[in-house]
Amino acid sequence: NAGVTQTPKFQVLKTGQSMTLQCAQDMNHNSMYWYRQDPGMGLRLIYYSASEGTTDKGEVPNGYNVSRLNKREFSLRLESAAPSQTSVYFCASKVTDRRNIQYFGAGTRLSVL
Amino acid sequence: SQQGEEDPQALSIQEGENATMNCSYKTSINNLQWYRQNSGRGLVHLILIRSNEREKHSGRLRVTLDTSKKSSSLLITASRAADTASYFCATDATGANSKLTFGKGITLSVRP
Repeated sequence: NAGVTQTPKFQVLKTGQSMTLQCAQDMNHNSMYWYRQDPGMGLRLIYYSASEGTTDKGEVPNGYNVSRLNKREFSLRLESAAPSQTSVYFCASKVTDRRNIQYFGAGTRLSVL
Repeated sequence: SQQGEEDPQALSIQEGENATMNCSYKTSINNLQWYRQNSGRGLVHLILIRSNEREKHSGRLRVTLDTSKKSSSLLITASRAADTASYFCATDATGANSKLTFGKGITLSVRP
């Protein structure tokens, strides 16, 4: 019963480097989300995918790209990392119903030096 | 932009006491949810209250919703040290296309 799995758990990058954060869910959920969490800011939505084959921008999409590889996997890419992208990143998924309850991964802690 | 704003930002109580946390929001909603986050972990859904409900119970949790005031409260009764965590309200706004908007969170410390 893995739920939502994120890799890696920790990452340190230098400014300008690129990396991809991976997310996979085994609950057959249609919708998937990427958030960032910064101290005092709560969770802010970066991108989401309402269903396989679709992606949409959230509140803070600049500097990020996403790929909904298949129904299970939703990746987040930083093409040229900046110190302002130092954050904890969470992936979430949800089944398509009226309740809109989201299930979260354990997070990826990213530092950009 | 933040839809839900929690109050207080931090709360410290003794084990056995009740903890009350408040959330205010700005637009019309389909439902409001509360999540818990233990240190270093992801968020976990606790309880959901629909816009046409006024009160909901789940174990030691009681949630109220006042849509006229656009506010909600989460009450944890008989708190335990294991309740120490951050708590977030999240609103499912009308027309938000399956997106939730989270508040900044409340840090609850329960002293043994």
